[in-house]
Amino acid sequence: DSGVTQTPKHLITATGQRVTLRCSPRSGDLSVYWYQQSLDQGLQFLIQYYNGEERAKGNILERFSAQQFPDLHSELNLSSLELGDSALYFCASSERGVTDTQYFGPGTRLTVL
Amino acid sequence: ILNVEQSPQSLHVQEGDSTNFTCSFPSSNFYALHWYRWETAKSPEALFVMTLNGDEKKKGRISATLNTKEGYSYLYIKGSQPEDSATYLCADLSNTGKLIFGQGTTLQVKP
Repeated sequence: DSGVTQTPKHLITATGQRVTLRCSPRSGDLSVYWYQQSLDQGLQFLIQYYNGEERAKGNILERFSAQQFPDLHSELNLSSLELGDSALYFCASSERGVTDTQYFGPGTRLTVL
Repeated sequence: ILNVEQSPQSLHVQEGDSTNFTCSFPSSNFYALHWYRWETAKSPEALFVMTLNGDEKKKGRISATLNTKEGYSYLYIKGSQPEDSATYLCADLSNTGKLIFGQGTTLQVKP
C-alpha cells in the first residue's frame, strides 16, 4: 500500500458525460501528479500540482481539468467524454518536486460506452 | 534521440540469470530519470530517481547507472527470480518539468 488513495476504483459512463476522479496523496506529500494509461499508449503524464498550484502540464486535453485543494487532495475532471478517453487514470504523490520518489495510487478504471 | 526509448521490448530469462535493459533519452535539457517496476494489475512502484551523470544506485539485486552526456541509463538485475517478472519503465524529466515515459521492457523470469 503506497498511502495514495483514489476513488472511485471503477467508473462506467456514457459519451458526452462528465466525471470527477479523486486522489488523496500520502500524508505530508505536497505534489500530486495525474497520469493516463490507455490500451494503445504507454503511461502519459497529464499534470502536476504542488501545494495547490499547477506546476507542470503534459498532454492533457482541454476537456480535462484538475485542481489541488487546500487539504492537498486533488480532483481530475473529465468532460464531454469520448470513447477514446477510456483508460486507467493514476494519481501519484511525492514529498516535494519531480526529483523525489513518486508513489502511485491504485488507479481509477474509466470506461466510456 | 527525441523520445524515451527502452530496449529490449521484452525479455525471457531463466531463474538465476542476470539481465540488463537500456533506457535512452534526449541528453539535452536533462533533469532527472526515474525507473519504475510495474507488475500486472498493480500500480507502478518507484525503483530509483537518478539526477547526476555517473550516478549508480542499488536496491537489493537491482541496480542502475546513468550517463547523461550520451543519454542512456542501464538497469541491471542480478540473479533474476520469478518475482522479478514485471514491466520496467523509465521516465525522463527534462527541465520543462514534464515526465516522458518509455514503452517499458517486460521481463519474464522462468523458474
